[in-house]
Parts: sequence; C-alpha cells; structure tokens
Amino acid sequence: DAMVIQNPRYQVTQFGKPVTLSCSQTLNHNVMYWYQQKSSQAPKLLFHYYDKDFNNEADTPDNFQSRRPNTSFCFLDIRSPGLGDAAMYLCATSSTAGSTDTQYFGPGTRLTVL
Amino acid sequence: GEDVEQSLFLSVREGDSSVINCTYTDSSSTYLYWYKQEPGAGLQLLTYIFSNMDMKQDQRLTVLLNKKDKHLSLRIADTQTGDSAIYFCAESMGGGSYIPTFGRGTSLIVHP
Repeated sequence: DAMVIQNPRYQVTQFGKPVTLSCSQTLNHNVMYWYQQKSSQAPKLLFHYYDKDFNNEADTPDNFQSRRPNTSFCFLDIRSPGLGDAAMYLCATSSTAGSTDTQYFGPGTRLTVL
Repeated sequence: GEDVEQSLFLSVREGDSSVINCTYTDSSSTYLYWYKQEPGAGLQLLTYIFSNMDMKQDQRLTVLLNKKDKHLSLRIADTQTGDSAIYFCAESMGGGSYIPTFGRGTSLIVHP
C-alpha cells in the first residue's frame, strides 16, 4: 500500500544532542511537510517542500533544519534539542496535481528530550 | 482569534450519536476536512466536503456545512469505543497548492 513512513517511531535524545528524524513516502507526492504537535494542540507547520523548493515558516526556530534529497525522502534535523522541543513530529505529503489539498500523514515520531 | 475553532472535548455514551462542531473564518475556504487522530498516531483523513455542498454522508459519518455561518459539523452515528480519538477540522482553498489550516482538535471520549 502507498503510504508515508516515519522512522523511528520513538526517539530519545539528550539535551543539546543533535537528532535526525526521517520520513519516506511511496505516494510520489511532490509536496512534503514537517509538523510539530504538542499535547492538545493542532499540528504546527515547521516547513514544507514543493518539489525541491524549501519553504520555512516565519516562526520556525533556526534550531530546526530540513533536507529533501529526492522525491521520496525528507529529513528533520534538530541541531540542539531543548526540553521544549519534546513533541510528536508529523510528516505529511500532498500533491499539487489534485483538486483538493488533502494531506497524507505518517504515524509520527515521538521525541523525548532528557 | 483562531482561524478554525473547535470545542476541546466531547463525551458520549456508546451507541449514541456524536456531533463535533467547527467554525472557520475564511469565507474563501473551498474544501473543509475532518481528520481523525488516534493515540500515538498520525492524522487520518476521514472525509471532506466541497464548499458548494450542504451535506455529505459516508456510512456512519454525516458532514453538514452551513457556509453562511461558516459552520461545519461531523456527526457519527452509533458511536463505538473505537471512535474515541481526536478529531481535527481543517479548511483550505483547494486546487492542490494550499496548506490546510487546522483547528485544535476535539477529543471524543466514548464510554460504555
């Protein structure tokens, strides 16, 4: 089945230790997104790629970076995680070829910062 | 205020109907969505409605749209314990090039 896959599902890191979260998709969608979601809150968009074009949200901290080496993969790098970065990180995809803006989400990576 | 607003909690008894409400502010919204998020999982699209429709039904789910009042609702008939989840309302302008705006989600609790 076509899907959005995130690895790992659970990630524990230490304060200040860099961490990378990965996302892959088999949907061949040209748009990929990274969201941060904290408890009882809506997903907060960090950045997204239209094809290779990177779009950063204005309030995304510099501590968060992203890479998209090809259509299928996208990475979220947190350079120096703080306690406030503990959250669920959701990857999503969509296609500009469709008539709707439906997003397809991965299962998320739960990040714990010690 | 928020662009998309939802109440945070709803508690229903198993077998009853659940109605989750959402209001939005953008009159140019073309598509309105309902996503479901189970504990520890990502968001799953349940259904969506185009803005020129008043109602859409899909098995136990009924979506009602009042475009004049910018009000959207999701009715779940015969609610089951497996329906316990967070339900997110979202809106976008459609066309494949817009990023949906999400509400904060309504946590549905189904008790026996």
